[in-house]
Amino acid sequence: AQSVSQHNHHVILSEAASLELGCNYSYGGTVNLFWYVQYPGQHLQLLLKYFSGDPLVKGIKGFEAEFIKSKFSFNLRKPSVQWSDTAEYFCAVFSGNTGKLIFGQGTTLQVKP
Amino acid sequence: DSGVTQTPKHLITATGQRVTLRCSPRSGDLSVYWYQQSLDQGLQFLIQYYNGEERAKGNILERFSAQQFPDLHSELNLSSLELGDSALYFCASSPSQGKLTEAFFGQGTRLTVV
Repeated sequence: AQSVSQHNHHVILSEAASLELGCNYSYGGTVNLFWYVQYPGQHLQLLLKYFSGDPLVKGIKGFEAEFIKSKFSFNLRKPSVQWSDTAEYFCAVFSGNTGKLIFGQGTTLQVKP
Repeated sequence: DSGVTQTPKHLITATGQRVTLRCSPRSGDLSVYWYQQSLDQGLQFLIQYYNGEERAKGNILERFSAQQFPDLHSELNLSSLELGDSALYFCASSPSQGKLTEAFFGQGTRLTVV
C-alpha cells in the first residue's frame, strides 16, 4: 500500500537556522513527489514537486528537496528559515497506477524571531 | 486564490444528522480529490473522481459518499454524523488523472459535530 511518513511532527527553530524535514514513502512503482505548505488559516499550497530527472529540485521561497530513490526519501531543506516560514508542511506521493495522492502526517514548523 | 471553491466554509450540526459539502474545481480540471484533516489523523485521502467517475478510494467510511456531477463539481455527503467526524474537509482538483502535475486545494469546510 502507498504510504508517507514524516519523521518530525513539531520543529522549533530560530530565524536564520537551517531546516531539514524528513519524508519517506512506501510504494514500489513510479511516483510523483510533492511538498505542500499550509500557512495558518489558509489552504495547502505547492512548494515543490519531483517527477523525474535531477533529483535535487528547487521550489518557491528558497525551499529545495532531494529525491533519493534508494532510500525512498524526499527530504525538504531550506538553508535559512524566516519567521514567515511558520506553517505546517506536508509531504505527498502520487501514483498513476493507484490514482491516489497520499499525504504524510505533516510537520508543524515554528520559527522564533 | 487556488481557483477551487468549497462551500460552506463552516458547518455546525448535531450528531446523527446528514450534511453535504460542495466543491467546485478549477475551470477545466477533471479530477477532484477529497480529504479529511483532523488533529490526530493528519490529512486522510477519502476519494477521487475523474470526469464523473470514481477512480480511487481511500479511508472513506461507509457513512460517507461522494459524487461528481456533469458540470464537474463534486459533493461529499456525510451521514449519521458522530463527534469524531468533526474535522476540516478539503477538496483538491487537477487537470488529469493518470499524471498529477499539481493538485490545487480549496480553503476547506470546517465541520463541527456537537
